[in-house]
Amino acid sequence: TQLLEQSPQFLSIQEGENLTVYCNSSSVFSSLQWYRQEPGEGPVLLVTVVTGGEVKKLKRLTFQFGDARKDSSLHITAAQPGDTGLYLCAGVPYFGNEKLTFGTGTRLTIIP
Amino acid sequence: GAGVSQSPRYKVAKRGQDVALRCDPISGHVSLFWYQQALGQGPEFLTYFQNEAQLDKSGLPSDRFFAERPEGSVSTLKIQRTQQEDSAVYLCASSLVLSPGTGNSGYTFGSGTRLTVV
Repeated sequence: TQLLEQSPQFLSIQEGENLTVYCNSSSVFSSLQWYRQEPGEGPVLLVTVVTGGEVKKLKRLTFQFGDARKDSSLHITAAQPGDTGLYLCAGVPYFGNEKLTFGTGTRLTIIP
Repeated sequence: GAGVSQSPRYKVAKRGQDVALRCDPISGHVSLFWYQQALGQGPEFLTYFQNEAQLDKSGLPSDRFFAERPEGSVSTLKIQRTQQEDSAVYLCASSLVLSPGTGNSGYTFGSGTRLTVV
């Protein structure tokens, strides 16, 4: 079973600060996705990273896929209250395997 | 519709009762997935359909769980003789493509059905 561990599990910071969330595994994934989930809603896809070492930016969010495709990070610059939510990484074990393995989640709270 | 619709949003079942959870995917989406999300955890895979064919049901926790998608659109997840450990949010997701984990189209999730077994 491939497991994805996220850290930290909980993070509460002031508006305007920077933060990084980590997603780690001992297994290789062909691709990795990041989702954000609001209370009472389903996860919403933020980004997909496919190539080892790939970096993608989405406004104030920067996503990186590790060189060995076993880990990923999400960095948020100048956090805003609207960034509050549950952040989930999810990996695809290999191309053609459609089911996602989700991480344990990071609950982020941005304090105004 | 514009999104994935799940019903009911909330379901309270007495232990031993059978329940049926419905998912209306986005029109034309080929792939449909069911996930189970326990409180404070990430979703866990239950089963996957490509059109009407159930290609993977390896995540179903027991033979009390059954899913179908007879016409390749609406899907129903049925849980027989519910137990307290079945309490969770059940998420449905659909995708236009066959391999949603490798592209930016990804999955579109519904808002889920919160099942509470008392």
